[in-house]
Amino acid sequence: AQRVTQPEKLLSVFKGAPVELKCNYSYSGSPELFWYVQYSRQRLQLLLRHISRESIKGFTADLNKGETSFHLKKPFAQEEDSAMYYCALSPKAAGNKLTFGGGTRVLVKP
Amino acid sequence: EAGVAQSPRYKIIEKRQSVAFWCNPISGHATLYWYQQILGQGPKLLIQFQNNGVVDDSQLPKDRFSAERLKGVDSTLKIQPAKLEDSAVYLCASSQKQGNTEAFFGQGTRLTVV
Repeated sequence: AQRVTQPEKLLSVFKGAPVELKCNYSYSGSPELFWYVQYSRQRLQLLLRHISRESIKGFTADLNKGETSFHLKKPFAQEEDSAMYYCALSPKAAGNKLTFGGGTRVLVKP
Repeated sequence: EAGVAQSPRYKIIEKRQSVAFWCNPISGHATLYWYQQILGQGPKLLIQFQNNGVVDDSQLPKDRFSAERLKGVDSTLKIQPAKLEDSAVYLCASSQKQGNTEAFFGQGTRLTVV
């Protein structure tokens, strides 16, 4: 069985401070990892995926297979980063059969 | 491009009643998903379609939930009879193919069972 854990329900940081959202997973095979974001009154959307190895809106995430983690980081948080963030896992090549974590709400204060 | 459309946006029903949700995926997207998101939790996959065929419905409570995707385009998800614990947001998503291409989500239908 696959499982995704996001230990923080809420992260509150000041504008310009670094932010790191933790994500740990358990899966016996080779997973694909994703971060999805939901801004206020908007639909859930893909932020980034580990296979792309890209930085989106200043966010990066590194897959650590040894620690089974996929933490999301941004060195300087902006107020527009305030949103709900979900880490998700899919078995490789299984499409978007996603297992989501419980989500972390990020609040960036001015 | 137009996004995934869902209706209704909100629905309130009494327990033991039936309800149906509708989803229109992005044009050309072969794969369609229904997720259930209970308040305070992440979305949970209920069913996955590839064109008009079911790929995975292992987490669908088949005693009360049903879904179909006739003609491989629009989809409906039905609950009959509803229980209080079915109160949730029901999200529809679509992607171009079954591989790991981006999934696009609709705005969801918020169901309240009283």
